[in-house]
Amino acid sequence: GNSVTQMEGPVTLSEEAFLTINCTYTATGYPSLFWYVQYPGEGLQLLLKATKADDKGSNKGFEATYRKETTSFHLEKGSVQVSDSAVYFCALKSGSARQLTFGSGTQLTVLP
Amino acid sequence: DAGVIQSPRHEVTEMGQEVTLRCKPISGHNSLFWYRQTMMRGLELLIYFNNNVPIDDSGMPEDRFSAKMPNASFSTLKIQPSEPRDSAVYFCASSNSPEVQETQYFGPGTRLLVL
Repeated sequence: GNSVTQMEGPVTLSEEAFLTINCTYTATGYPSLFWYVQYPGEGLQLLLKATKADDKGSNKGFEATYRKETTSFHLEKGSVQVSDSAVYFCALKSGSARQLTFGSGTQLTVLP
Repeated sequence: DAGVIQSPRHEVTEMGQEVTLRCKPISGHNSLFWYRQTMMRGLELLIYFNNNVPIDDSGMPEDRFSAKMPNASFSTLKIQPSEPRDSAVYFCASSNSPEVQETQYFGPGTRLLVL
C-alpha cells in the first residue's frame, strides 16, 4: 500500500535559518507528490507539488524535488521567516486512487 | 473566488446527539472529499464523491457516520449518535480533475468536540 513518512517534529528554528523537512514515500506506480501547509486554526493549503521524477516544485521560497531513486520529496527553504510557522504535510496520490495519503505532519516554529 | 466553505467552524455537543457538518465545494469542482484529522491517526479520508455520487466510503468508521451530496454545491456529513471518540477536525476538500496530478483544495475545517 501507499505510505508517507515525515521527519519527526517539532522543529524550531531561528529566523533566516535553513529549513529541511524530510519526506520519503512508498507507493505503487508513479505517484504525484505534494506538500501542504496548515497555519494555526486553518485548513490545509497546497504549498507545492511535483508530478514526475526529477520535477521540482516551488512556491513562496520553498522547494522540493521528486527523487524517484531515493523515493523522497524533501522540503527546503533557504531562509525561514516567523510567518512560516505552521504544520507541514507531505502527501502522495498514486495511480487511479483519488485519495491523498498524508504523512503525520511536521510542526515548524520559527523564532524571531 | 471563494474557496471551500464549511460550517459550522466549531461544534460542541453531548454524547448521543446528532451532528451535521456542511460543505460547499468550489464552484465547478466535480469531486468532493471528507477527511478527519486527529492527533492519533492524522489525516484520514472518510468518503469521496464524484459528480455527486459516492465513490469510496471505505474510510467511514461505522454506521453512525453518513454523508450525502444532494447537488453539486452542497454536501453533509452526519454523525448519529455522536460519541466522544468522534472529536476531531473534519475537513472537506474539492477538486476538478481526476488525473494523477489533481490538486485538492481544503476548507477551513469543522472542529468537533463531543462531551
